[in-house]
Amino acid sequence: QKEVEQNSGPLSVPEGAIASLNCTYSDRGSQSFFWYRQYSGKSPELIMSIYSNGDKEDGRFTAQLNKASQYVSLLIRDSQPSDSATYLCAVNLRRALNFGKGTSLLVTP
Amino acid sequence: GAVVSQHPSWVICKSGTSVKIECRSLDFQATTMFWYRQFPKQSLMLMATSNEGSKATYEQGVEKDKFLINHASLTLSTLTVTSAHPEDSSFYICSANPGASGQETQYFGPGTRLLVL
Repeated sequence: QKEVEQNSGPLSVPEGAIASLNCTYSDRGSQSFFWYRQYSGKSPELIMSIYSNGDKEDGRFTAQLNKASQYVSLLIRDSQPSDSATYLCAVNLRRALNFGKGTSLLVTP
Repeated sequence: GAVVSQHPSWVICKSGTSVKIECRSLDFQATTMFWYRQFPKQSLMLMATSNEGSKATYEQGVEKDKFLINHASLTLSTLTVTSAHPEDSSFYICSANPGASGQETQYFGPGTRLLVL
């Protein structure tokens, strides 16, 4: 069974702080990695994709990938209350996606 | 970005009835779509891969005779939950990949919440 592991949280950070979300995966053959945000009762919304080792920045979001350690992370700078949601890490499973259980993030004003 | 729609957004039905859920890619063609299911407080679990013009590929433990998938065109896949029972109550979400092979970014529909009484 290919696993994608995330700390379920909740992770609580004050407004304006940096939120750091982590994910590990078991399949060394994985090539594509994604972070999705899911608000309660809604479907996932793509935040970022990353395919090679290193950092990828997009606005307030930075994804980091380390294939040797089988680790992918998401940093959210200047966190806002509207960032409060569940963040899902996903790894390619053939052409579909294998999801972690998600980390609940709470940004407090 | 790519847009995927689902219909209906909510279904309440009696036990034993069948429910059809539609998934459409609105601004791109998708030879492959995916169906996921999410129970409360759980993550998304892949149910099946829907292939245009051929049979769907089901994940282990998913009953193909209960969850019928039809991918009749490059923009439409349907999931029919046959003889639904309360344990089938869940959030069903489809997704599609508009990119070329090797680009696995998927965009999700808004989901269909099914409640079987």
